[in-house]
Amino acid sequence: GQNIDQPTEMTATEGAIVQINCTYQTSGFNGLFWYQQHAGEAPTFLSYNVLDGLEEKGRFSSFLSRSKGYSYLLLKELQMKDSASYLCAVRDSNYQLIWGAGTKLIIKP
Amino acid sequence: IAGITQAPTSQILAAGRRMTLRCTQDMRHNAMYWYRQDLGLGLRLIHYSNTAGTTGKGEVPDGYSVSRANTDDFPLTLASAVPSQTSVYFCASSDFAGSTDTQYFGPGTRLTVL
Repeated sequence: GQNIDQPTEMTATEGAIVQINCTYQTSGFNGLFWYQQHAGEAPTFLSYNVLDGLEEKGRFSSFLSRSKGYSYLLLKELQMKDSASYLCAVRDSNYQLIWGAGTKLIIKP
Repeated sequence: IAGITQAPTSQILAAGRRMTLRCTQDMRHNAMYWYRQDLGLGLRLIHYSNTAGTTGKGEVPDGYSVSRANTDDFPLTLASAVPSQTSVYFCASSDFAGSTDTQYFGPGTRLTVL
């Protein structure tokens, strides 16, 4: 079956750096997405990786290794507003998104 | 620019009742999707539509139906609601021909079936 694994919850300190990991086993691979979801709100798009390597976008970076079925989202200079759930999703061979359950990130002052 | 709107925002429904969740987008995206989100689980695809006039089944389609009469609207109908359909429902859309085909989400409908 298809599977996306992420840690359920992580805690970090304001101003620090945190890395959220995602491993996947899917039937085919056509790209990996990271979304941010604040409590009670809709998911919003953060990043997209289809080739191996690091994609940087401001304080957020996302890394992909297709051979390892692995990605991470790196958040730098953490702010209180970064407290949210972070969702990893993989587009499979049917061009559908398979979603992880999300990682709840708690930022402490 | 509204993006995607959903209605109602929330609803409490008696089991056995029929309910239609509405979704409208103004981005002229050709693909639209319905997901449900339950605590501890990832978003699960219910139905999708790659273009107006066509629909397809997702991972959890049973008990739900959709139609896509035009580009903008993609209603989701529960013919006879059951308590297991209590969930948060998100509609999304994407430009299927785009390079990344990123999905953009509506604000969601919180549905409780008693």
